[in-house]
Amino acid sequence: DVKVTQSSRYLVKRTGEKVFLECVQDMDHENMFWYRQDPGLGLRLIYFSYDVKMKEKGDIPEGYSVSREKKERFSLILESASTNQTSMYLCASSDGQGPPTQHFGDGTRLSIL
Amino acid sequence: AQSVAQPEDQVNVAEGNPLTVKCTYSVSGNPYLFWYVQYPNRGLQFLLKYITGDNLVKGSYGFEAEFNKSQTSFHLKKPSALVSDSALYFCAVTMGGGGNKLTFGTGTQLKVEL
Repeated sequence: DVKVTQSSRYLVKRTGEKVFLECVQDMDHENMFWYRQDPGLGLRLIYFSYDVKMKEKGDIPEGYSVSREKKERFSLILESASTNQTSMYLCASSDGQGPPTQHFGDGTRLSIL
Repeated sequence: AQSVAQPEDQVNVAEGNPLTVKCTYSVSGNPYLFWYVQYPNRGLQFLLKYITGDNLVKGSYGFEAEFNKSQTSFHLKKPSALVSDSALYFCAVTMGGGGNKLTFGTGTQLKVEL
């Protein structure tokens, strides 16, 4: 079974802090994704990566950046956290064979105070 | 552009009764359609997907979905609901290519009562 692991289940940070969310997958998948989930809005794509050091903006990239230095790890960075970034963040991965199934981690519930 | 609509925020059904969770989509071309389920404090779990071929797709936990091209719908169904089916359900669509980005609906909360 594919395993996607997010480093923290719950995280509390302060406004203005730089925040790192980490995601690791164990299936050698090419594609990795970061979403945020908010009630009534579903999942919205922040960034995705289709290879090491490659990234593309999703639908809501403002205020975020990403890093993919190794194939198995995809990091989401909040450059200067704000209260409107309080949300559930979900990481997913998929292989390159289309249309592939995305496999999700259990999420990080981030609160910005 | 691609989009998905889940017209019901919540669906209530009695255990043992059939259930339907609705999904309609909008794409310019042939879609690939997915259903995911989310239990409290967990990530999304894959249920089933439609790629091509038979319009009736069978998935995990006894769920199935019917692709209807003329109505641009992909409704999720189960013949007999269980209390343990209570969860948040998401429909998603992709056109393929470009990393196979998924566009998700807003989710439908299913509540199965005794």
